[in-house]
Amino acid sequence: DAKTTQPPSMDCAEGRAANLPCNHSTISGNEYVYWYRQIHSQGPQYIIHGLKNNETNEMASLIITEDRKSSTLILPHATLRDTAVYYCIVRVEIGQAGTALIFGKGTTLSVSS
Amino acid sequence: DGGITQSPKYLFRKEGQNVTLSCEQNLNHDAMYWYRQDPGQGLRLIYYSQIVNDFQKGDIAEGYSVSREKKESFPLTVTSAQKNPTAFYLCASSILDRVIDTIYFGEGSWLTVV
Repeated sequence: DAKTTQPPSMDCAEGRAANLPCNHSTISGNEYVYWYRQIHSQGPQYIIHGLKNNETNEMASLIITEDRKSSTLILPHATLRDTAVYYCIVRVEIGQAGTALIFGKGTTLSVSS
Repeated sequence: DGGITQSPKYLFRKEGQNVTLSCEQNLNHDAMYWYRQDPGQGLRLIYYSQIVNDFQKGDIAEGYSVSREKKESFPLTVTSAQKNPTAFYLCASSILDRVIDTIYFGEGSWLTVV
């Protein structure tokens, strides 16, 4: 189980902000939220991560609600090259020995001109 | 440059054959992972390793085997027991911090059964 819920797809016009939502209602107090994106037939690329404060880097901004049950990834000025599958993930317990980042189906963002 | 190298990029396998996908990293990461991705689907964890000479099964380990003899290498063997091996395979690594666990991925390997 991915422990996160994302819409399967979203559309965005080029130059506009893309706001990608994610629900993670079962997240525990010390778990980070990570965002990755995957362009077709390539390995996923790390975008950003956060715990409870809003974060910003050269790629995107991450807004986490005060109760930490949801977050939004913001691409401030989407370009055609931002068309990709975006994954919101948290760490989950796997097997007997540890945890790993489990990727669900993500949100397919389509940016059009 | 530091990174994760997977090879080959494309591989064709005949029915009943075992094949091995290579994964090498020079990031000095402790943890390494193998994921499988089918078209239009998310990534599913096959195996992971947190330390040399130790590895754990993920969600879909049946029909696969791995080894971790060196910190920088984590090869995946797709055995003949894997009934539907055609997929995109991704290797990844991380520093194995209990709090922050940013994963870095290779470029992937396409395996096709012919």
